[in-house]
Amino acid sequence: GAGVSQTPSNKVTEKGKYVELRCDPISGHTALYWYRQSLGQGPEFLIYFQGTGAADDSGLPNDRFFAVRPEGSVSTLKIQRTERGDSAVYLCASSLKGFTGELFFGEGSRLTVL
Amino acid sequence: GQQLNQSPQSMFIQEGEDVSMNCTSSSIFNTWLWYKQDPGEGPVLLIALYKAGELTSNGRLTAQFGITRKDSFLNISASIPSDVGIYFCAGLGSGTYKYIFGTGTRLKVLA
Repeated sequence: GAGVSQTPSNKVTEKGKYVELRCDPISGHTALYWYRQSLGQGPEFLIYFQGTGAADDSGLPNDRFFAVRPEGSVSTLKIQRTERGDSAVYLCASSLKGFTGELFFGEGSRLTVL
Repeated sequence: GQQLNQSPQSMFIQEGEDVSMNCTSSSIFNTWLWYKQDPGEGPVLLIALYKAGELTSNGRLTAQFGITRKDSFLNISASIPSDVGIYFCAGLGSGTYKYIFGTGTRLKVLA
């Protein structure tokens, strides 16, 4: 597609469950970012990929969060043992040029942990 | 996490009025991006700035990269109802990949 695609758009889960969120970036974009946005806040950085490798994962809040991008295109954000505080909108963005380029965001995946 | 300070936090204006908002940082940035976000959607890129002092327009929107490299400004001229939304700035420092986002300015336009 033309833009960044994220699935699912909405996910409701129970505390303690495992969740996967998928991001399909704009074709040809080598850089991929995950951000988290809580209600009333700006997006907060989680992780950045350049190609297949995570160049910076310093924003991941703890070891329950993990992200992969095995073939340098689609990325999956994985959250284990979800907690109510994980509820937020998870945004994915891609960039053509990497860290100097413009970020283009998807619509986000809204995660609600009950 | 770190967030940039945006001012004002929110504003109500009449249709047709001009709007100004700004974003400030304690750190120097090399790139500034401005986004608009509507409810339930992802941020949409409006303007990108790459050089101190740069002034860039996109239709009725004009943004400036502050001379000190610690701030940026966004102006909207002749506002219309569809300008309603939340406007975010994002800055990128040297030697890092992390864009830091602002706290947002919520704009409401009264017809």
